[in-house]
Amino acid sequence: GAVVSQHPSRVICKSGTSVKIECRSLDFQATTMFWYRQFPKQSLMLMATSNEGSKATYEQGVEKDKFLINHASLTLSTLTVTSAHPEDSSFYICSARDGSGGDTDTQYFGPGTRLTVL
Amino acid sequence: GQNIDQPTEMTATEGAIVQINCTYQTSGFNGLFWYQQHAGEAPTFLSYNVLDGLEEKGRFSSFLSRSKGYSYLLLKELQMKDSASYLCAVMDSNYQLIWGAGTKLIIKP
Repeated sequence: GAVVSQHPSRVICKSGTSVKIECRSLDFQATTMFWYRQFPKQSLMLMATSNEGSKATYEQGVEKDKFLINHASLTLSTLTVTSAHPEDSSFYICSARDGSGGDTDTQYFGPGTRLTVL
Repeated sequence: GQNIDQPTEMTATEGAIVQINCTYQTSGFNGLFWYQQHAGEAPTFLSYNVLDGLEEKGRFSSFLSRSKGYSYLLLKELQMKDSASYLCAVMDSNYQLIWGAGTKLIIKP
């Protein structure tokens, strides 16, 4: 099946620094990628939707200047948490939708990146 | 390698009961999640099992057997709104989520 990877798997950083998380589709072209935050035992909160070559669409309440998303190619999207603070500590998950023309509803999820801001 | 298997698609009748199975082989185990995802929406958390046994939450129940690497999600008194994809995900020893491909559940009147 389709595989989505994330890097790094975990990161610890100091407050005020920026952290970049990569999301890659390994064996398919992802025209659309999604970024989520997962809170313990809760639903995934959609942060933004990114389409290759265009600006990301952010959900209400998500600061676009704080969570920078770049979808530069059909296999790579990046989320940069700028000037991270302890409240940004969370589990960030990306998913990718296969743009090959098959089941357009299917999203393939990445393993997640655990961010801890000290 | 790490692997999670669940059926691709299931069909059930409104008012009936359906069981969606999930088997897993992962490096370590730190819990199993079930999510419901309607088309075009974010996944909604349904359950989290880390100990063996059955957890009941209204019309939905989730069962886990760690020795067998097996879980199921049981949906009772099916309603049309239960038509969705159901995702099984296991958190491994590195606290990474390993996702199943999802089971598309179709409810017929």
